[in-house]
Amino acid sequence: SAVISQKPSRDICQRGTSLTIQCQVDSQVTMMFWYRQQPGQSLTLIATANQGSEATYESGFVIDKFPISRPNLTFSTLTVSNMSPEDSSIYLCSAPPGGRNEQFFGPGTRLTVL
Amino acid sequence: AQRVTQPEKLLSVFKGAPVELKCNYSYSGSPELFWYVQYSRQRLQLLLRHISRESIKGFTADLNKGETSFHLKKPFAQEEDSAMYYCALAANSGNTPLVFGKGTRLSVIA
Repeated sequence: SAVISQKPSRDICQRGTSLTIQCQVDSQVTMMFWYRQQPGQSLTLIATANQGSEATYESGFVIDKFPISRPNLTFSTLTVSNMSPEDSSIYLCSAPPGGRNEQFFGPGTRLTVL
Repeated sequence: AQRVTQPEKLLSVFKGAPVELKCNYSYSGSPELFWYVQYSRQRLQLLLRHISRESIKGFTADLNKGETSFHLKKPFAQEEDSAMYYCALAANSGNTPLVFGKGTRLSVIA
């Protein structure tokens, strides 16, 4: 298994500002994933973060809006840029330890944009 | 394209009654299927994976490739089973993201 932590756990932000979410894994992992869970909805993949290369974004998500860093094998950040109320959501990171498909999730960051 | 369907948004059962949460999938290859559970105010956690063929907290799930289903079952529901349940699929190649169903909220009534 893997223990994943995220910071901050929640934040309330003003429209037009940016927030960077940090994700830390207690073991080295090749891939890390960022998901969004909008109120009452399921999880939607934003992007895949592979250490040493640029993140791969899913349809509907772009690097300018959601820049991602992956500086080493245990850490990643997701920035939500130029926020609007539509970005209010829970953002989760996950990682599959040992190269398997099963993923472990962070506790999530609850973002509210006013 | 990969797709996971959970037809029930909410399922209410009485304590001690059997539970079946439905999950159907669409994938052209050989998928790996999972059930995740999210209890109130807790993080999403892995409940079952089809390759393990295990029983966790009394829950079991069998992959039926003919029906492309991976239904979650428990013979006797407990109040503590009340939670949000998500079925998820991964392409069987390792290190791949998960595709989630919309989730089913299970409510066990005392």
